[in-house]
Amino acid sequence: GDSVTQMEGPVTLSEEAFLTINCTYTATGYPSLFWYVQYPGEGLQLLLKATKADDKGSNKGFEATYRKETTSFHLEKGSVQVSDSAVYFCALKDAGGTSYGKLTFGQGTILTVHP
Amino acid sequence: DAGVIQSPRHEVTEMGQEVTLRCKPISGHNSLFWYRQTMMRGLELLIYFNNNVPIDDSGMPEDRFSAKMPNASFSTLKIQPSEPRDSAVYFCASSSRTGSEQYFGPGTRLTVT
Repeated sequence: GDSVTQMEGPVTLSEEAFLTINCTYTATGYPSLFWYVQYPGEGLQLLLKATKADDKGSNKGFEATYRKETTSFHLEKGSVQVSDSAVYFCALKDAGGTSYGKLTFGQGTILTVHP
Repeated sequence: DAGVIQSPRHEVTEMGQEVTLRCKPISGHNSLFWYRQTMMRGLELLIYFNNNVPIDDSGMPEDRFSAKMPNASFSTLKIQPSEPRDSAVYFCASSSRTGSEQYFGPGTRLTVT
């Protein structure tokens, strides 16, 4: 079945540092890929997405490129801020196994940014 | 616009008691999802409704769990009887149509002692 694997956390960085959170997936067909962010005490929010190979999703300075050849969707940001401290989830939506596009999530990566 | 509303935000109960979690999806959304989040298992889909009808309940862990959606603006997730291993954060999410972006509620943190 479909699965998503994220790099283990937690990740601790200083403000303005470069961020990479690795994400790889296993799926049949051509899934859509997502990054969600969960701030303390809140629900998940969609951060960015990519629906086909070589697409780059971007939002709020974060980027991720859909790499079909390496089945990866790594999240990057050039300069993190304290306000980026949150839990980040990589997810995929299957392309046809279920008619409603079931989301499969990775285990989440905790990011803490210090001033 | 109001987002997905969940109640209560926190629930503490004793083992064996019945627990009911509530969700109000975004108005006009016809798809509703219940998820459970734990440290051990991460985020798991429990059940999916479309137009108030349960479509996929394969993630419901056992018969102690049940979910209903009596109308387009309300859904419940019930656990009876509750057990300590049910302690988790339960999220409700809705989307405007099949396959589109899911919007999550703030979650209900359930603690069963």
